[in-house]
Order: sequence, then C-alpha cells, then structure tokens
Amino acid sequence: EAQVTQNPRYLITVTGKKLTVTCSQNMNHEYMSWYRQDPGLGLRQIYYSMNVEVTDKGDVPEGYKVSRKEKRNFPLILESPSPNQTSLYFCASSFIFGSEGIEGYTFGSGTRLTVV
Amino acid sequence: AQSVAQPEDQVNVAEGNPLTVKCTYSVSGNPYLFWYVQYPNRGLQFLLKYITGDNLVKGSYGFEAEFNKSQTSFHLKKPSALVSDSALYFCAVRFNTGGFKTIFGAGTRLFVKA
Repeated sequence: EAQVTQNPRYLITVTGKKLTVTCSQNMNHEYMSWYRQDPGLGLRQIYYSMNVEVTDKGDVPEGYKVSRKEKRNFPLILESPSPNQTSLYFCASSFIFGSEGIEGYTFGSGTRLTVV
Repeated sequence: AQSVAQPEDQVNVAEGNPLTVKCTYSVSGNPYLFWYVQYPNRGLQFLLKYITGDNLVKGSYGFEAEFNKSQTSFHLKKPSALVSDSALYFCAVRFNTGGFKTIFGAGTRLFVKA
C-alpha cells in the first residue's frame, strides 16, 4: 500500500530533551515536507526537501532540523524542544510533476507532540 | 503577501442539501489549487485539484470545485451532503516554481446534520 508512515503517533516529552519524529514514504516521491497544524492557523511548512541531500526552510523552521540521506526518509529533529512546539505534526510527500501536472500531497497520519 | 483565505470557520448543512465551502486566494502568477479533507485523528487526504482547463473540477467522494479567476476563488461544492462528509476541509495553493511551496488556508469545519 502506498503510504507515508510517521512515528510516533503521540509523544509527550519534557523541555530540552532531544527528540526525533520519523517519516518514511514508499512511493519514490522526490519531494517531502514537514508541517505543523495549529488551531486557526491551518498548516504551516517547517522544512521541505526536493531530493536527497537537498533541504530548505519553510515558513516556521526555528527550533527544528531535518535531514534527507535517503529518498524515502525525512526525519524531523527537535534538538531542544520547548512548550511552544506543542502541536500536531504532519509529514507529506509528492512527485513534483505528474502526468496531470503539478501533484498534490500524500500525508502521514500525524504526530501529536506535547512538550511540558 | 501570498495567502489563502477560508472565510468561514464552520459550515452547517442538513443532510441531502447542497454544500459550499468557500476559498479565496491572493497569489501572484498562475495558481495551482487544491482541496484536502481531514477526518478526526487522520492525516489530510487529497480531494481534487485545479491545474488548467475546465473551471469546474470533479474530485473524490462526489465533491467538485469551481475555479473563478476574476474573483480569485476556488469554492468546494457537493450537490447533496452526507453526514459522513463532516470533517475539516483545507484549501491550498501550490506554486510551480522555486521550492514548489504549498500554502494552506486555516480550514473550515463542515458539520452535516442528519
């Protein structure tokens, strides 16, 4: 089954304790991205990657890191989490262009992170 | 600034009635427009997209959307709502240059009453 897999689904952690949220896709998509979803703000892009070893900042990158060492994996790293990073996080992937033009995303199921 | 607006936080409709979820955008160039749906405790799912051509686009689950260039709108519609359509709907614009960024609206919660 074609899918984007995120782990964990739920995470409660303490301020300052480094954590990693994993994301893996099995569709050979070149484009991957992380978003956070907050009430009333929709989804905001944290980082994106257009291919292996190519990553760039989105709109809200502060406090986050990413890496793209393999095409299928795009982990999100919080080196020193703070309470304002409590949010619902989504990984998404896509081909950039398909047979019908620019493509939409396939999303993971989300990771609900609470930082206390 | 480039933006996507969904002017209604919530839309309420009775089952069997037509529904409309509104979206307007303010972007430069030719936008590529999308609708996604989010069911509780799930990730977003692609519904439909407008790239070019016919202004009325048909998508999944009987939804369609109408692109209006002069009004910079891309409203989501369905002729007859189902209770199972109750969910959070997001309008989005994806750019075909630079980082192929996608901007999302804040979302509209659709509530269909039996």
